[in-house]
Amino acid sequence: EAGVTQFPSHSVIEKGQTVTLRCDPISGHDNLYWYRRVMGKEIKFLLHFVKESKQDESGMPNNRFLAERTGGTYSTLKVQPAELEDSGVYFCASSLWNAGGETQYFGPGTRLLVL
Amino acid sequence: DQQVKQNSPSLSVQEGRISILNCDYTNSMFDYFLWYKKYPAEGPTFLISISSIKDKNEDGRFTVFLNKSAKHLSLHIVPSQPGDSAVYFCAASPALGNEKLTFGTGTRLTIIP
Repeated sequence: EAGVTQFPSHSVIEKGQTVTLRCDPISGHDNLYWYRRVMGKEIKFLLHFVKESKQDESGMPNNRFLAERTGGTYSTLKVQPAELEDSGVYFCASSLWNAGGETQYFGPGTRLLVL
Repeated sequence: DQQVKQNSPSLSVQEGRISILNCDYTNSMFDYFLWYKKYPAEGPTFLISISSIKDKNEDGRFTVFLNKSAKHLSLHIVPSQPGDSAVYFCAASPALGNEKLTFGTGTRLTIIP
């Protein structure tokens, strides 16, 4: 079974440009999460989808970030316009919709560098 | 304000010995704790977890201990193997539903052959 996949693996853009990150969760996983790790710091929660609905978006930094999950399958995270402080590794994770300690499975991440 | 803290950024241990990684938390609402392992250029991989109703959980070479009164948990790896060299993240969530994980900054473990 395929794991969580993310595209692109790396992105280098200039300040002010737009970047769209994509995440394909494990098939059948209703829960999808976005996290971000800025250099050397902790991995921080951004938001959580249950199917196509945003369950919790309390971690989104500001309105330059827009996440979507049309049809409850893959998700995109758009940053527009990108700022220098948006640089970091963006991880996507997914888990089954179920009660009780479902493990979150992480993708390899997208490394974003804003110059 | 960091709610999950891993105060040791790095740790080196001889192969075959015990590795002990520590984690402290401040939020009393955390009820479920996890350890993730991360290799370079890969995403974090779930290793082991513990709920607040337990004080110990063991899985093969890995054991997690939880001290709720001290708001402290630790991961013991014994015996340590070269393949254990990675960054280890401690994470916590307020409920068993495992949503919205709060992570520490990670500890880089190096196993010396």
